[in-house]
Amino acid sequence: KQEVTQIPAALSVPEGENLVLNCSFTDSAIYNLQWFRQDPGKGLTSLLLIQSSQREQTSGRLNASLDKSSGRSTLYIAASQPGDSATYLCAVIYFGNEKLTFGTGTRLTIIP
Amino acid sequence: NAGVTQTPKFQVLKTGQSMTLQCAQDMNHNSMYWYRQDPGMGLRLIYYSASEGTTDKGEVPNGYNVSRLNKREFSLRLESAAPSQTSVYFCASSEALDRAYEQYFGPGTRLTVT
Repeated sequence: KQEVTQIPAALSVPEGENLVLNCSFTDSAIYNLQWFRQDPGKGLTSLLLIQSSQREQTSGRLNASLDKSSGRSTLYIAASQPGDSATYLCAVIYFGNEKLTFGTGTRLTIIP
Repeated sequence: NAGVTQTPKFQVLKTGQSMTLQCAQDMNHNSMYWYRQDPGMGLRLIYYSASEGTTDKGEVPNGYNVSRLNKREFSLRLESAAPSQTSVYFCASSEALDRAYEQYFGPGTRLTVT
C-alpha cells in the first residue's frame, strides 16, 4: 500500500535552534513531493514542491531534500522562530495514483 | 487575489439533513479538489475535477456528490448527513491535474453532524 509517514507526531524545540522534520514514503516511484504548513483552524499553505528529478528545494530558512532510493524527505528549518509553530504535512504523488497522498503531519512548537 | 475561498466556515447539521459546501478560486486553475481531514487520518480525497465539465471519485466518495459549476466553482453536496461525515473539509485547486503543479488550499469548512 502506498503510504506516507511522518514521525514524530509532535516536536518541541527552543527558539533559535535548527531542526529537521522527517517524511517517509513506501514506494520510490513518485512524481513529486510537497511540504505544507497548517496553522490551527486554518487551511494548508504550500511551502515547497520537489519534483522527482530534483534533490532539494530552498525557500528562505526552509530547505527540503528528497532521497527517492531510501524513500525519505526532510524539511530543514534554520534558526527557528515562534512563528514557525504549526503542523507540517508532507504529501506525495505516486506513479499510477496521480493524486496527493498525505502524511498525518508533525505538530511543531517553538519555545520562546 | 483571494486564492481559494470556501463557504461556510462552520456548520452544524442534524443527521439526515442536506447541505452544499461552496468553493471558488480566482487563479484560473483548471483542476479542483475536495478533501476531508480527520484526526489521525490525514487528508483524504473525496472528489476531484480535472477540468470544467468533468468530475471523478477520489478515495472516499460515498455519501457525497459534486458539481463543477464553471471553471471557478466546485461544490460538494451532502444529501443526507451522517455523524461519520463530521470533519473538516478543504477545497483545493491546481493549474492542471498534471503532477508537476502545486495544489493551493482554501481555509476549510468545519462540519459537525449530530
